[in-house]
Amino acid sequence: NAGVTQTPKFQVLKTGQSMTLQCAQDMNHNSMYWYRQDPGMGLRLIYYSASEGTTDKGEVPNGYNVSRLNKREFSLRLESAAPSQTSVYFCASGQNTEAFFGQGTRLTVV
Amino acid sequence: GQSLEQPSEVTAVEGAIVQINCTYQTSGFYGLSWYQQHDGGAPTFLSYNALDGLEETGRFSSFLSRSDSYGYLLLQELQMKDSASYFCAVDSSGGSYIPTFGRGTSLIVHP
Repeated sequence: NAGVTQTPKFQVLKTGQSMTLQCAQDMNHNSMYWYRQDPGMGLRLIYYSASEGTTDKGEVPNGYNVSRLNKREFSLRLESAAPSQTSVYFCASGQNTEAFFGQGTRLTVV
Repeated sequence: GQSLEQPSEVTAVEGAIVQINCTYQTSGFYGLSWYQQHDGGAPTFLSYNALDGLEETGRFSSFLSRSDSYGYLLLQELQMKDSASYFCAVDSSGGSYIPTFGRGTSLIVHP
């Protein structure tokens, strides 16, 4: 089992460019999440999907959109990247009382 | 909304015991989780407390007091590999598990 797989692992964008971060899980979990992690800020929830077909805003959704494509896949889109979106992005899936994280995407916006 | 407070850094020596505290404020509460994250790695789940009391898993234990909105992670027989960041997270959503994380505590273990 691969668990939670995120692509890409690293990305550099120019301000104003768009991109989609991909995430897939093979654990048949209902819930999936996108977090961003900045130094000293912990993990902040961007969007989550409690079940296939539903998505909800988290703490810091501005500048992002998500798609729960099916039960396995949950993508995060930056329509017009800004330097403030430079961060490490983690996708996770969860069931019951535990979340499983992917290895993260290090995104730099210049 | 939710807010969580935990110390930013804790240091200890190998073989010692360390306690990382977490206080929280939330409109709804279903449980408190703890996660470990090594530098450059992904967070990994350690424990979940829904009820008051102490839960023990090997060298790690986690405690919850719902009336005090307080919990802690206790690490015993510290090893160098325990140097990492530790995050508490509240589950306030009910039904689906949607963790909201604190800012994390950096644990430095010295030889």
